[in-house]
Amino acid sequence: DGGITQSPKYLFRKEGQNVTLSCEQNLNHDAMYWYRQDPGQGLRLIYYSQIVNDFQKGDIAEGYSVSREKKESFPLTVTSAQKNPTAFYLCASSRAGTGDYGYTFGSGTRLTVV
Amino acid sequence: GNSVTQMEGPVTLSEEAFLTINCTYTATGYPSLFWYVQYPGEGLQLLLKATKADDKGSNKGFEATYRKETTSFHLEKGSVQVSDSAVYFCALTTNTGFQKLVFGTGTRLLVSP
Repeated sequence: DGGITQSPKYLFRKEGQNVTLSCEQNLNHDAMYWYRQDPGQGLRLIYYSQIVNDFQKGDIAEGYSVSREKKESFPLTVTSAQKNPTAFYLCASSRAGTGDYGYTFGSGTRLTVV
Repeated sequence: GNSVTQMEGPVTLSEEAFLTINCTYTATGYPSLFWYVQYPGEGLQLLLKATKADDKGSNKGFEATYRKETTSFHLEKGSVQVSDSAVYFCALTTNTGFQKLVFGTGTRLLVSP
């Protein structure tokens, strides 16, 4: 079955470390997205990519970086410049021009700074 | 700009009660509207959608009607179950340019036996 796989499910980061969250999809979707969710709050867009080798900043891109070298993969790096990285991170994908279809989400990665 | 406003939660109901979660939107053009559900510790799942005015989306006993005149897309269910306890997100995407989903802040539903 097609879907989105996020790994790891739980991740612990020490102060000053960079960490990379994995997101892989086998839905043949062109577009991919990263969201951050804080407890009791909605989703905030970090980065999105419409096609391979292209990506755009979302609303809260500072302290994060992404790459899109393959259609299936959209890894997110949380850098040491992100001052408050503890959150639940969600990856999603969609067809291009997807006004009618919505997004498919992964099951999320919970990142905690220790 | 485009935005979605949902009622504040939590919404607390007893099993078999009627559910309404209000959602209103502001958008340019003619958006498509969605309800997503998030169970604890999981990602979001698409619950239902409507792509044009007066369309009714439905799934698993949940329904929502796209009301252009009131710019609303309220979620309803006639008889909730304990297993419906989750956070519900209303969202829209416009049909011009690159369509990013715009989410509301979510409404937590708690159903007790």
